[in-house]
Amino acid sequence: DVKVTQSSRYLVKRTGEKVFLECVQDMDHENMFWYRQDPGLGLRLIYFSYDVKMKEKGDIPEGYSVSREKKERFSLILESASTNQTSMYLCASSLRVLKLNNSPLHFGNGTRLTVT
Amino acid sequence: AQKITQTQPGMFVQEKEAVTLDCTYDTSDPSYGLFWYKQPSSGEMIFLIYQGSYDQQNATEGRYSLNFQKARKSANLVISASQLGDSAMYFCAMRDLYGGATNKLIFGTGTLLAVQP
Repeated sequence: DVKVTQSSRYLVKRTGEKVFLECVQDMDHENMFWYRQDPGLGLRLIYFSYDVKMKEKGDIPEGYSVSREKKERFSLILESASTNQTSMYLCASSLRVLKLNNSPLHFGNGTRLTVT
Repeated sequence: AQKITQTQPGMFVQEKEAVTLDCTYDTSDPSYGLFWYKQPSSGEMIFLIYQGSYDQQNATEGRYSLNFQKARKSANLVISASQLGDSAMYFCAMRDLYGGATNKLIFGTGTLLAVQP
């Protein structure tokens, strides 16, 4: 079974702090993703990576950055946390197949971040 | 631009009855795939079912089936014989040909299903 592990289930940070959310997958997947989930808005893509050191912006990248130094690990960084970044953050991974395919995303259990 | 619309924020269903969760999508690409995920209160996202735009038959997985109407751009999830454990948030998602190169999915806003005993 694919396992995607997010390092923290709950985090509480103060406004202005630098926050690191860590995600590790154990299935040698090329692709990794960070989504945030908010009530009434569904899941929105923040950033994704299709290879080590490669990254692309998703739909809502402002206020975030990412790091992928190793294939299995994808970190989301909030350079200066703000209260509007209070949310559930979901990491996902998948195989990279260069055609339309039924390969699903495999998700971690999420990190609920509260910024006060 | 691609878009997924789920118009039902919440639904109730009696145990053992069937329920349909609506999903419509918009894409200009002729080649795309549609996914449904379940998210229980524990927060994990569980992949349920997939339908490709060129698939001739509607997808089925156990008690889950996908009512795919391509001309109407709808991909409704049907859950037969509802169980209490089906109570969860359900998300519809899409990947089109561009998304196929990156495997990214775009998601709808979700439908919260409550199964009543």
